[in-house]
Amino acid sequence: DGGITQSPKYLFRKEGQNVTLSCEQNLNHDAMYWYRQDPGQGLRLIYYSQIVNDFQKGDIAEGYSVSREKKESFPLTVTSAQKNPTAFYLCASSIEERPSTDTQYFGPGTRLTVL
Amino acid sequence: AQTVTQSQPEMSVQEAETVTLSCTYDTSESNYYLFWYKQPPSRQMILVIRQEAYKQQNATENRFSVNFQKAAKSFSLKISDSQLGDTAMYFCAFMKHHTPLVFGKGTRLSVIA
Repeated sequence: DGGITQSPKYLFRKEGQNVTLSCEQNLNHDAMYWYRQDPGQGLRLIYYSQIVNDFQKGDIAEGYSVSREKKESFPLTVTSAQKNPTAFYLCASSIEERPSTDTQYFGPGTRLTVL
Repeated sequence: AQTVTQSQPEMSVQEAETVTLSCTYDTSESNYYLFWYKQPPSRQMILVIRQEAYKQQNATENRFSVNFQKAAKSFSLKISDSQLGDTAMYFCAFMKHHTPLVFGKGTRLSVIA
């Protein structure tokens, strides 16, 4: 089955703890993205990567870190520096090889709750 | 920076009727892409329809169609023959090639039997 997987579906974090959200795709897509969704806020970009071993900050990168060691994987770490991490996190990917195919597809999301 | 505005936080429509969701955007670019995504209660983001700015013809996908007015920077979504399964949040989004999406805040659509 081709697609984008995110794990876990639900994640609970204690104060001061770092947690890592997984995002994997087997679509051979070049670019991957992390978005955060809060009620009434739409989706906001955290980080994105267009090529292995390279990534760029989005609008709300503070308190988050990422890596892109493999084309298929783009994990997001929520650090203790993120003051309000409770949110729904969505990963997306796109092929980007030409404009006619440049469309982002999303994983099922991870709900993170701080205890 | 690009911005996307959805002015209708909530809408409702009777089953089998037609509803139009509004979206406006602000950009100085001439080549870009516009999208409507649907997020049902499962929270999975599903692509509904895609429009390329250089194409004058409005995109259609079965019961979903758009009214793209480039000069007015308007990109509305029309849902015909509304079904209960269309109940969802709908997000309008803007993108230049090789850049992330910029989303509006969404419109919550309820289809009433």
